[in-house]
Amino acid sequence: DTGVSQDPRHKITKRGQNVTFRCDPISEHNRLYWYRQTLGQGPEFLTYFQNEAQLEKSRLLSDRFSAERPKGSFSTLEIQRTEQGDSAMYLCASSFRQYYEQYFGPGTRLTVT
Amino acid sequence: QKEVEQDPGPLSVPEGAIVSLNCTYSNSAFQYFMWYRQYSRKGPELLMYTYSSGNKEDGRFTAQVDKSSKYISLFIRDSQPSDSATYLCAPAEGNEKLTFGTGTRLTIIP
Repeated sequence: DTGVSQDPRHKITKRGQNVTFRCDPISEHNRLYWYRQTLGQGPEFLTYFQNEAQLEKSRLLSDRFSAERPKGSFSTLEIQRTEQGDSAMYLCASSFRQYYEQYFGPGTRLTVT
Repeated sequence: QKEVEQDPGPLSVPEGAIVSLNCTYSNSAFQYFMWYRQYSRKGPELLMYTYSSGNKEDGRFTAQVDKSSKYISLFIRDSQPSDSATYLCAPAEGNEKLTFGTGTRLTIIP
């Protein structure tokens, strides 16, 4: 068990392009979370999956954002028509028994130019 | 007003000192209180958590919650340079979502 992994670690894209990030949770963790963190701020909740079902989405998740977790394993977060305000660290976390014990990945740092 | 307020620091203390990190919150529904530690360019890692009011000790770390005053504290005894990181409080009300503070950046000076 190597923990939560995220790919890519860094992504630079031009405004208006689409980007997709991947998260592989700790095996057997049925819950998966996406957060966004900007400089000097704590992570902000974006969305949550239990197995393959997306059960909650933050109002921060505009219609340009979509997340999936096919088969309840890895998850992808896609941002369409990126804007400069999307520049942030996108963190993925997973949990098993207790939702509040969340294990975070290293994050994907997105820079929109 | 943010649900969780945390002094962003930065906070610098000499090695061996006792460190006190604090948060206040406004949501009375918070039941679980977590502390995460985040090193530079890494994801947060869970340090410890408490349920409802009271104290919890884990080695050099003590977490304290006072629900009557909506105040959360983390104490670090015998601080070490390896404790230098950003500390995030993250209360939760039982709906799968953690609400993080802004984090306090701590530096332990050897």
